Amino acid sequence: EDKVVQSPLSLVVHEGDTVTLNCSYEVTNFRSLLWYKQEKKAPTFLFMLTSSGIEKKSGRLSSILDKKELFSILNITATQTGDSAIYLCTGAGSYQLTFGKGTKLSVIP
Amino acid sequence: GAGVSQSPSNKVTEKGKDVELRCDPISGHTALYWYRQSLGQGLEFLIYFQGNSAPDKSGLPSDRFSAERTGGSVSTLTIQRTQQEDSAVYLCASSLRRAGDSYEQYFGPGTRLTVT
Repeated sequence: EDKVVQSPLSLVVHEGDTVTLNCSYEVTNFRSLLWYKQEKKAPTFLFMLTSSGIEKKSGRLSSILDKKELFSILNITATQTGDSAIYLCTGAGSYQLTFGKGTKLSVIP
Repeated sequence: GAGVSQSPSNKVTEKGKDVELRCDPISGHTALYWYRQSLGQGLEFLIYFQGNSAPDKSGLPSDRFSAERTGGSVSTLTIQRTQQEDSAVYLCASSLRRAGDSYEQYFGPGTRLTVT
């Protein structure tokens, strides 16, 4: 059975801190790993990673995939209160996505 | 263009009643997914439609759940004889037919279902 495990489940940091969110996966016919940010109901897309060792960046967010260790991290530097959300890691198999339970990030002023 | 839309946004129903949830995918997206998010849980896959192929129903939790997609566009998720454990946010997503490694799914705003 496909599985995606995220850690920590929740995290509280102060504005300006840097955080690292972790994701390990076991996905049959793995194609890609995706990160989503969920603030209210619908997740919004952040990154899609298909190749090992290539960092993807978007502003203060970056992510990298290790296909040998079946692992990905999402980094957020200089956190802001607007970064407070649940961050979902998702493994994509042949056509189905398997979601982790998410990391709830709270950034306090 | 318009994103994925879902209706209703909130639904409160009594235990034992049937409910229908609607999803309008992005125009031109041939793949459509239903997910469920219960309190404190990750997203749970329910069902997947791809074009005119038979849907993958492997994630439906019981035979009280069914879904259809008419004309390759709008989809309806039906829950019969609702139970309290059905209370969750039901999310719909759509994507372009798989091309290469593209799996970006666009999510609707969800329907919050509360069964009393």
